[in-house]
Amino acid sequence: AIQMTQSPSSLSASVGDRVTISCRASQGIRNALGWYQQKPGKAPKVLIYAASTLQSGVPSRFSGSGSDTDFTLTISSLQPEDFATYYCLQDYNYPRTFGQGTRVELK
Amino acid sequence: EVQLLESGGGLVQPGGSLRLSCTASAFTFTNYWMSWVRQAPGKGLEWVANIRNDGNLKNYVDSVKGRFTISRDNVRDSVYLQMNSLRTEDTAVYYCVRDVAHYSSDYWYDVYDIWGQGTMVTVSS
Repeated sequence: AIQMTQSPSSLSASVGDRVTISCRASQGIRNALGWYQQKPGKAPKVLIYAASTLQSGVPSRFSGSGSDTDFTLTISSLQPEDFATYYCLQDYNYPRTFGQGTRVELK
Repeated sequence: EVQLLESGGGLVQPGGSLRLSCTASAFTFTNYWMSWVRQAPGKGLEWVANIRNDGNLKNYVDSVKGRFTISRDNVRDSVYLQMNSLRTEDTAVYYCVRDVAHYSSDYWYDVYDIWGQGTMVTVSS
């Protein structure tokens, strides 16, 4: 199975900060990667698919980039509602695999 | 409103069985693959299984192969997860997920766009 490794595991940031989360695949997955946001006690929500395509309804402060093995999720200006845990997910092959998550906390 | 509603979770002893159900509403169920994703308490997300629109193609994570079976009933707009030989490590919230396929640049991408609220499965003696 493809291993997805996110970094950092957690970070502290302030409202208005630019935040970057990385995700690395153990083998090339072209751009078959999505990003998901999860708030405590809630189901995840899709933000980005195909590495860089913003899901309908998701604010434009979220962006994704990367291909092959290295990917990045960027939040250009962190908002109070963005404090959550973020997961990457590869849909290149089976089994689908998630990264371990990155928790974004208030500094 | 487009939604998925899971049921069937509960407490079961190791070695026991449980059947989860997920009923879809307000969308054409037969247009979509469906998946199950789980999350152990305080842990990350783990993809478990998915099933094609017609029910004839299924995929599983290795840790549940031979123990779990995904199925669907396109008349009842429902997807199921039959879980046998349950282990303590299967304890988790189980989410039912709609899988949208987006085509771009000669590739089909999975997007898990609708999630149920989750149902808790606890495996303990």
